[in-house]
Amino acid sequence: DQQVKQNSPSLSVQEGRISILNCDYTNSMFDYFLWYKKYPAEGPTFLISISSIKDKNEDGRFTVFLNKSAKHLSLHIVPSQPGDSAVYFCAASGMAGANNLFFGTGTRLTVIP
Amino acid sequence: DTGVSQNPRHKITKRGQNVTFRCDPISEHNRLYWYRQTLGQGPEFLTYFQNEAQLEKSRLLSDRFSAERPKGSFSTLEIQRTEQGDSAMYLCASSLGMNHGGYYNEQFFGPGTRLTVL
Repeated sequence: DQQVKQNSPSLSVQEGRISILNCDYTNSMFDYFLWYKKYPAEGPTFLISISSIKDKNEDGRFTVFLNKSAKHLSLHIVPSQPGDSAVYFCAASGMAGANNLFFGTGTRLTVIP
Repeated sequence: DTGVSQNPRHKITKRGQNVTFRCDPISEHNRLYWYRQTLGQGPEFLTYFQNEAQLEKSRLLSDRFSAERPKGSFSTLEIQRTEQGDSAMYLCASSLGMNHGGYYNEQFFGPGTRLTVL
């Protein structure tokens, strides 16, 4: 039972353009959401997070949007750079982030120079 | 380097053998988590510790798996009588926990131990 879903396995974007990665969740008890980036042979690296009391959080080139009614969040990267090429995982947690994270299956982003 | 470290990075073993992995979390983090990741999937939660107490176990953690964090610092994950289905990347993560001035403290992951069971 996949509670966090990333329906696009891959995405290709030209350097300098916007990358939009999407994530849907089914469990209405989730109240904290995170994005991780993963390079080959490395563990996931934390990128940005958002709590359910907000609908937007921004950190430099990265912005996460949360639409609670649609149970949907997205990660925007502007402008995209070749170094952003990686697998991006969406993750969610309940109980104010008390316990484990539920991850999506990931989206492989390729930024074309 | 003050990040999460895991050893070994790679382990190849024969079916039926026992294996043990070690995780050293970020020193001030009191929460430690174990996840498993298979090809094409995201990490799946196995278990977590608050200091030395193991507070939650996933149904994925069969009785062949055991995890310890004896002094609330490093942790070990042991798999007994390994099976080919145990082949995966085993990830360790740590976090500060709930009450450190923030709504939530993000989990920081180590590089993982890749297990191959022949």
